Amino acid sequence: QSVLTQPPSVSGAPGQRVTISCTGASSNIGAGYDVHWYQQLPGTAPKLLIFDNNNRPSGVPDRISGTKSGTSASLAITGLQAEDEADYYCQSYDSSLSGVVVFGGGTKLTVL
Amino acid sequence: QVQLQESGPGQVKPSQTLSLTCTVSGDSISIGGYYWTWIRQHPGKGLEWIGYIHHSGSTFYNPSLKSRLTTSVDTSKNQFFLRLTSVTAADTAVYYCARGWYSSSWYFDFWGQGTLVTVSS
Repeated sequence: QSVLTQPPSVSGAPGQRVTISCTGASSNIGAGYDVHWYQQLPGTAPKLLIFDNNNRPSGVPDRISGTKSGTSASLAITGLQAEDEADYYCQSYDSSLSGVVVFGGGTKLTVL
Repeated sequence: QVQLQESGPGQVKPSQTLSLTCTVSGDSISIGGYYWTWIRQHPGKGLEWIGYIHHSGSTFYNPSLKSRLTTSVDTSKNQFFLRLTSVTAADTAVYYCARGWYSSSWYFDFWGQGTLVTVSS
């Protein structure tokens, strides 16, 4: 049971727009902690996709974007491509108990 | 380009100690405000943050692992280490080392390729 909740799977056709939600609580996203997103291609390490809610590292295309509002965040991918098929994870910090870095359970994106 | 590489035994017996090394190239562990981090992924599951060490020696661990966990750093070799004691099958996972940065929460911009550690007799 992850502290941050993501849908297990989403899908879209090439060229379409998909969004992946990340729902938290008042002790993490709602407390103002930034949300970050990672892409994990099969058999590889995660790659940072979005940091600080809506910033892209160098090399990440601008068809990928992030937003945050209240206790939730979202990742949007427009112009869907076959190579976008991967697992996506959100991540933040939770201040409950002793504090811990937390990840969402992950969302499998399938390009139809 | 920053690169990280995990190394260590691929198999550990139950109740023994798991020890891993992360070798960093393209950056100096002893400079800057980065947090050198361990993250693991159980087979077919999501990501679990283990903990980090700063070059100053400060550490921050996942409360669920804190009693069994030690991390350290060797700045002369540009390496940092993980030591997890009393392992069980539940510690079987791919272990990643990563470079962390703190804004209003930590994020991890460079990752190693990961190393699978199996706990089995």
